[in-house]
Amino acid sequence: SFELTQDPGVSVAPGQTVTITCQGDSLRVYFVSWYQQKPGLAPVLVIYGTNNRPSGIPDRFSGSSSGDTASLIITGAQPEDEAVYYCKSRDNDAQYSYVFGTGTKVSVL
Amino acid sequence: EVRLEESGGGLVQPGGPLRLSCAASGFALNTYHMNWVRQAPGKGPEWISYISRDSRPIYYRDSVKGRFTVSRDNAKNLLFLQMNSLRVEDTALYFCVRERGGGRSSWFDPWGPGTLVSVSS
Repeated sequence: SFELTQDPGVSVAPGQTVTITCQGDSLRVYFVSWYQQKPGLAPVLVIYGTNNRPSGIPDRFSGSSSGDTASLIITGAQPEDEAVYYCKSRDNDAQYSYVFGTGTKVSVL
Repeated sequence: EVRLEESGGGLVQPGGPLRLSCAASGFALNTYHMNWVRQAPGKGPEWISYISRDSRPIYYRDSVKGRFTVSRDNAKNLLFLQMNSLRVEDTALYFCVRERGGGRSSWFDPWGPGTLVSVSS
């Protein structure tokens, strides 16, 4: 079955930049969206259409994409950014199906 | 304020049924496609079903086809998920989510807080 692969975890010092990647064949065709999930809460959209921020999301969050890999960049990470981040895209092998990435735990230390 | 709120979760025995509801507020449900997503304990989100604005088409992930049925009542701003023949592996927090965008770019926003379904004997 189709998968979107993410690194399990990454650490970043406060104020530094961290990049999270998401890899999958469908990213060559479909745009990616990114979700932030803190413990005990529902996921929250932080980036859509590869590099668009919903209202209320700080501008330190940005995105990019090249080939089969999409990236979420947090420029100047803050302690409140500590969370698990998931990418999402379409499964281009199925009639209609969405797939989430395996998730990346961002620790702000 | 745009909000989604799920209800109907609980403890059910394997093979049993459960019906989830999702109440939408702050927007007209009939103008959006909707989805159900679940998240098993300690795991990532998993898409399970899509229903278009007017209920045609509808799609499911393979593991729930024939067991789950999604429906909606646009007049009442409600979304439903009828789950039959439940299995232990269906245990998860179930979210309803609004779909935005379309074509090659769609995204889920917002998400409800979720309702917990536990399947156990």
